[in-house]
Amino acid sequence: DTAVSQTPKYLVTQMGNDKSIKCEQNLGHDTMYWYKQDSKKFLKIMFSYNNKELIINETVPNRFSPKSPDKAHLNLHINSLELGDSAVYFCASSPDAGTWQYFGPGTRLTVT
Amino acid sequence: AQSVAQPEDQVNVAEGNPLTVKCTYSVSGNPYLFWYVQYPNRGLQFLLKYITGDNLVKGSYGFEAEFNKSQTSFHLKKPSALVSDSALYFCAVRDMYRDDKIIFGKGTRLHILP
Repeated sequence: DTAVSQTPKYLVTQMGNDKSIKCEQNLGHDTMYWYKQDSKKFLKIMFSYNNKELIINETVPNRFSPKSPDKAHLNLHINSLELGDSAVYFCASSPDAGTWQYFGPGTRLTVT
Repeated sequence: AQSVAQPEDQVNVAEGNPLTVKCTYSVSGNPYLFWYVQYPNRGLQFLLKYITGDNLVKGSYGFEAEFNKSQTSFHLKKPSALVSDSALYFCAVRDMYRDDKIIFGKGTRLHILP
């Protein structure tokens, strides 16, 4: 029974396309996150939602738009994909903001 | 701003020997610190956290971390390393002044040599 799941696991697409990554958690957590891990394994937070409300919005391009239809789901939509968007994107959840987090398996995005 | 630093990109330890992965922090107020582990092609896994109390925190897989306020350090330790401990380890701190977001260090790759 997967706690935090992401789909797809791999995503290969061309520059300029629009794509979405989905995330679901069945832990009953109130807070969900999106992180980007670059090729050097550096991990940076992008967004955080608490009970469907946006609480952290880091300085990412506005081509990235998160959507939380309910507190168990946090999806990431990316418009006009660029080469520099290639990375692994992790979804995570936590009981509350600032506590330990449970990470999903990641989505490896490759933009060609 | 709150931050953590992991001074070593890579640590090599022989199997069976004790291991230490270093982390220093810079925070205003009381620190809220974490360690996570990432195995290849996997998401991060929570190992342990320090909020307050005992300076020696025990976590998963036999790991522990020692909080040292005077040295502003939170080093991860294990008495006897296993080959299966080889992974990427991240230290992290909660930034209570910026929406409680978690700031991760750059990671330390641990190699356990058989």
